[in-house]
Amino acid sequence: EDQVTQSPEALRLQEGESSSLNCSYTVSGLRGLFWYRQDPGKGPEFLFTLYSAGEEKEKERLKATLTKKESFLHITAPKPEDSATYLCAVQVRGMDSNYQLIWGAGTKLIIKP
Amino acid sequence: NAGVTQTPKFRILKIGQSMTLQCTQDMNHNYMYWYRQDPGMGLKLIYYSVGAGITDKGEVPNGYNVSRSTTEDFPLRLELAAPSQTSVYFCASSYSVSFQVQETQYFGPGTRLLVL
Repeated sequence: EDQVTQSPEALRLQEGESSSLNCSYTVSGLRGLFWYRQDPGKGPEFLFTLYSAGEEKEKERLKATLTKKESFLHITAPKPEDSATYLCAVQVRGMDSNYQLIWGAGTKLIIKP
Repeated sequence: NAGVTQTPKFRILKIGQSMTLQCTQDMNHNYMYWYRQDPGMGLKLIYYSVGAGITDKGEVPNGYNVSRSTTEDFPLRLELAAPSQTSVYFCASSYSVSFQVQETQYFGPGTRLLVL
């Protein structure tokens, strides 16, 4: 069964303290991996798409990397405004041959000033 | 552009009542989706549409119905509401050449539904 697991469930950091969020997956036929950010009471907002192992994408203090089994979202010198829940989704081929997204449960990141 | 809009923001239903969650997008996207998000769980796809007049079931379609008469609108209908349908519902849209190429999905702000 296709699965996407995010860890940790929650992460509390001091402002400026760098860390990484993990998204591990066991799927057949990865087509792409997506990272989204979700603020409380709002819908997810797109951050990155990664398609192949070794690929990296950067945006401000965030950097996403991909291996054959997992993806990391590295946060460098985070600020309080980076506090949010970060969601990972993996695109796989469904039983009807259509592609679908399998979503992880998310990591809630809290940055304390 | 407003992007993806959803109404209402919050609703309380009694068991057995029905309601329609509205979703509208102004980006001329061909694909639209309905998800539900439960605490501690990943988003689950309820229904999706690849264009006006075409809809298909997702992972958790039971208890829901959809229609897509225009490119812009994709309402979700709940018939005979049950406590298990208490959740936050998100509508999303994307422009995709085919379902084999998942482009970026843009999400609405969500509708919080409580069934008592």
